[in-house]
Amino acid sequence: GNSVTQMEGPVTLSEEAFLTINCTYTATGYPSLFWYVQYPGEGLQLLLKATKADDKGSNKGFEATYRKETTSFHLEKGSVQVSDSAVYFCALIILQGAQKLVFGQGTRLTINP
Amino acid sequence: EADIYQTPRYLVIGTGKKITLECSQTMGHDKMYWYQQDPGMELHLIHYSYGVNSTEKGDLSSESTVSRIRTEHFPLTLESARPSHTSQYLCASREGRGEQFFGPGTRLTVL
Repeated sequence: GNSVTQMEGPVTLSEEAFLTINCTYTATGYPSLFWYVQYPGEGLQLLLKATKADDKGSNKGFEATYRKETTSFHLEKGSVQVSDSAVYFCALIILQGAQKLVFGQGTRLTINP
Repeated sequence: EADIYQTPRYLVIGTGKKITLECSQTMGHDKMYWYQQDPGMELHLIHYSYGVNSTEKGDLSSESTVSRIRTEHFPLTLESARPSHTSQYLCASREGRGEQFFGPGTRLTVL
């Protein structure tokens, strides 16, 4: 079956630190990969996506590269801000059959000033 | 800009009450979804719909029911609420292979 495994949290960093949140996946077929972010009291927002191997998604200083050989889609940011504090979800979708998003368990990120 | 709405945002009710959580989207999306999010943050798909008059149960068994009479509307109903139903409920919609948009969520507390 299809599944996503994320780095366990919570993750606490100081402002301007380098961020990596690991994400690996198992999929039958060729998934599209996503990172969603959930700020306190809100729903999920799409942060970035990649639809094929070696694609790099980027947005708001965050980046992730679709690595087929390691089945990974790690989220990185060079210098985090307090406003980046949120819960981050890695997800995949196979655009055949049921076409349901499969989410990782989420990683809570807290950035201290 | 996502145009998907959920009401109410917060609801506190007593055991045994019937409730309906509303979800509406103005984007004309064919696919709609309901997720239950537990305090540990994990998301569980409980219902989905591929279009009008289409509803399916999700990966997590739920005592709730849904209907899809109009494209833009996907309400979720609990006939008799219990404390175990206390959770955050998130609605989402998607068109074809496009981005999935989420509503702001309803936080339900059953006393």
